[in-house]
Amino acid sequence: DTEVTQTPKHLVMGMTNKKSLKCEQHMGHRAMYWYKQKAKKPPELMFVYSYEKLSINESVPSRFSPECPNSSLLNLHLHALQPEDSALYLCASSQEGMVGGGREKLFFGSGTQLSVL
Amino acid sequence: AQTVTQSQPEMSVQEAETVTLSCTYDTSESDYYLFWYKQPPSRQMILVIRQEAYKQQNATENRFSVNFQKAAKSFSLKISDSQLGDAAMYFCAYKVGTSGSRLTFGEGTQLTVNP
Repeated sequence: DTEVTQTPKHLVMGMTNKKSLKCEQHMGHRAMYWYKQKAKKPPELMFVYSYEKLSINESVPSRFSPECPNSSLLNLHLHALQPEDSALYLCASSQEGMVGGGREKLFFGSGTQLSVL
Repeated sequence: AQTVTQSQPEMSVQEAETVTLSCTYDTSESDYYLFWYKQPPSRQMILVIRQEAYKQQNATENRFSVNFQKAAKSFSLKISDSQLGDAAMYFCAYKVGTSGSRLTFGEGTQLTVNP
């Protein structure tokens, strides 16, 4: 199994809603990532979990709250989002993450397309 | 700071022909890695090819090959025998070899393959 699975594929939410994005991998990877991607732009790193501990937070607003319950699962909890948060949210995993350094290959999911009304 | 530049926002190629996508980067590091990722309409980012900076030999993966010019800081992707399924956004990316490094992406090149 070389897949990173993200659910849901599409999500529409109001600014007062609370929702969660889910990401799962069964490749035994010890690092998991959240990226945000606006249309026709490259992905922007949000968070990195390495060995189930948050190792990078790229100054993301607190209305985005990541959670890594175990090494296979990564969640992104959303609360009080703004319309400008509408984007594609990509999850990725890699074998060793920050410890592995530059040689690490990232495996991406197909993303959750989020619309905030 | 490291930067990655893709000067071609859009490219097109006829099916079965060859196309080259350009990428330049700026770095003062000696240990680094370069990548080409493909993002088709399915939205999943897929690694196409990877090049280690310490290797002089250009990486190849089937119909995909790179022209790595370290002194010129250039890393172009050549797609031979283009297929309709190659149509996608292609991102060039750079990563320092040390632990804790982040992937830096270029702005992308949208490739269209014409039948």
